[in-house]
Amino acid sequence: GQQLNQSPQSMFIQEGEDVSMNCTSSSIFNTWLWYKQDPGEGPVLLIALYKAGELTSNGRLTAQFGITRKDSFLNISASIPSDVGIYFCAGQVSGTASKLTFGTGTRLQVTL
Amino acid sequence: NAGVTQTPKFRILKIGQSMTLQCTQDMNHNYMYWYRQDPGMGLKLIYYSVGAGITDKGEVPNGYNVSRSTTEDFPLRLELAAPSQTSVYFCASAGLAKNIQYFGAGTRLSVL
Repeated sequence: GQQLNQSPQSMFIQEGEDVSMNCTSSSIFNTWLWYKQDPGEGPVLLIALYKAGELTSNGRLTAQFGITRKDSFLNISASIPSDVGIYFCAGQVSGTASKLTFGTGTRLQVTL
Repeated sequence: NAGVTQTPKFRILKIGQSMTLQCTQDMNHNYMYWYRQDPGMGLKLIYYSVGAGITDKGEVPNGYNVSRSTTEDFPLRLELAAPSQTSVYFCASAGLAKNIQYFGAGTRLSVL
């Protein structure tokens, strides 16, 4: 089965730094979603993107739906310790009962 | 706001035992899903349901069964537990209007 390629796999950054991660696919998606998973918890939705080229923000988070519809990007500005966790991208094709294909995840660790 | 509730949170099984992972949602969502997450990996779809009485296989259905007798509940059954089924299991639900999946906190299962 397909899984989306996310990079980087993990990153250590200092508090206050900006973070960028991306997700690529060999298939086209109609919707891109970004989730965050804290240790011992289920994924929580951060941002949903519905149109190619769309740029959407949620506080310090900004995500973009790639023009080719085969990729998406997530940026976190001015990182803080609570940003620690695993970030997953997920792609969705219309008319498939909202099924998601998940990326392999980017593990973010923030040092003081 | 209960959302998606999974029980139990943790379970240890012996090889060959059976068990049912419970999932209930109070958002009146039509769609429900079961995923497994192996260490360092993304989520893989086991089974999903588009409504009461309707279920279908996902990417990794072997060794599992599901039923959907009500809108609220979507239990996952393991009939003959195997070590390969050691994983974290997540249940999710999505509505028709906004096809975004909301996740439970997960069930951590070890088969020894």
